Amino acid sequence: NAGVMQNPRHLVRRRGQEARLRCSPVKGHSHVYWYRQLPEEGLKFMVYLQKENIIDESGMPKERFSAEFPKEGPSILRIQQVVRGDSAAYFCASSPLRLSSSSELFFGSGTQLSVL
Amino acid sequence: AQTVTQSQPEMSVQEAETVTLSCTYDTSESDYYLFWYKQPPSRQMILVIRQEAYKQQNATENRFSVNFQKAAKSFSLKISDSQLGDAAMYFCAYRSPIGTGANSKLTFGKGITLSVRP
Repeated sequence: NAGVMQNPRHLVRRRGQEARLRCSPVKGHSHVYWYRQLPEEGLKFMVYLQKENIIDESGMPKERFSAEFPKEGPSILRIQQVVRGDSAAYFCASSPLRLSSSSELFFGSGTQLSVL
Repeated sequence: AQTVTQSQPEMSVQEAETVTLSCTYDTSESDYYLFWYKQPPSRQMILVIRQEAYKQQNATENRFSVNFQKAAKSFSLKISDSQLGDAAMYFCAYRSPIGTGANSKLTFGKGITLSVRP
């Protein structure tokens, strides 16, 4: 019973390149959340998606960042023209329903993005 | 906006002893959820324990228990009989009540690094 799968585990990009981070939620989960963890910091919410819909993107930077969760396939977090400040661990989490008192958020192991 | 504060960056405990990790939060809401997550070196975020604010009884999960002081907005984690496998970063987190637009987000503290001495 696979949990949340994120790949790649490590991603190195040069400034100006694009980064694409993938997340496959727990089988049967239709809600995906992306968080970013900067060094020495806790996780910060970025975006919440359902299949084919962005529900809450209040934590996403206004430029260069986008996310999708298509009907088929994994959720993708895309960062265009990366800068050094984008270096961080990016975590994906999923839940079967919109979060309620009984639903738990399941996290992946994250993708560590390093921008040279 | 809600904030979560973990003021201790590091703590150390002797194996088999008890340690308490502190967390305070700020909110104007009366109902909410609080969590402790463990992040070992593998980076996997593991839910340790959760507490519903409307419940007066402190949550307990085996060796892990919380001291929830709602009036003081304090939510500490106690680890009894510490084991080497408990060494990790621990994050306190807050979630708004059901039905609000914000309930899709977890707000995390900065975390505390716990080391366990053999």
